[in-house]
Amino acid sequence: DAGVIQSPRHEVTEMGQEVTLRCKPISGHDYLFWYRQTMMRGLELLIYFNNNVPIDDSGMPEDRFSAKMPNASFSTLKIQPSEPRDSAVYFCASGPTGLLREQYFGPGTRLTVT
Amino acid sequence: GENVEQHPSTLSVQEGDSAVIKCTYSDSASNYFPWYKQELGKRPQLIIDIRSNVGEKKDQRIAVTLNKTAKHFSLHITETQPEDSAVYFCAALTGANSKLTFGKGITLSVRP
Repeated sequence: DAGVIQSPRHEVTEMGQEVTLRCKPISGHDYLFWYRQTMMRGLELLIYFNNNVPIDDSGMPEDRFSAKMPNASFSTLKIQPSEPRDSAVYFCASGPTGLLREQYFGPGTRLTVT
Repeated sequence: GENVEQHPSTLSVQEGDSAVIKCTYSDSASNYFPWYKQELGKRPQLIIDIRSNVGEKKDQRIAVTLNKTAKHFSLHITETQPEDSAVYFCAALTGANSKLTFGKGITLSVRP
């Protein structure tokens, strides 16, 4: 298994531009999570899906952020318009249904907004 | 909601010594406690986890203990090696949902 796949790995964009981050979860996992990691705020959960349905988006910082999961093998996180304070590493993670609820992280996308 | 705290924020040990990293949580309904290791520039990786019906779990040089009464759990690393140097995150999962609450992380440095 290739693990969780994210693209792009690095993104540099100018303020005001639209940014789309992509994630392919591990096959068979029912849960998909989007996290943001910064030095100041640590690892924050933005939103998570179960069976492609958004369950909790209380961590999404603003209306500029949106996430979709059109099918079991693909999810996107979109920021429009982007701002310098959105600069962070964005991780996607997936996990199976079960008692343990373990989560496996992708390699992350390092976003820099100038 | 759940609140997870880690202490200390940094820890430095001599190679070969043991390291203990502690976490506390606030929600008594939390029932799953994973530990993640994140090396510089890499993704967090699950290294060990424990459920609330178990008091201790071991995997080679690492172990996790859970005290439900006191609402704290600890990661124990024995015979530390330089490659153990990383940031370690604890987390707690509450109830039937799948929302993990992470601590801020502890930077472990193992001196050769």
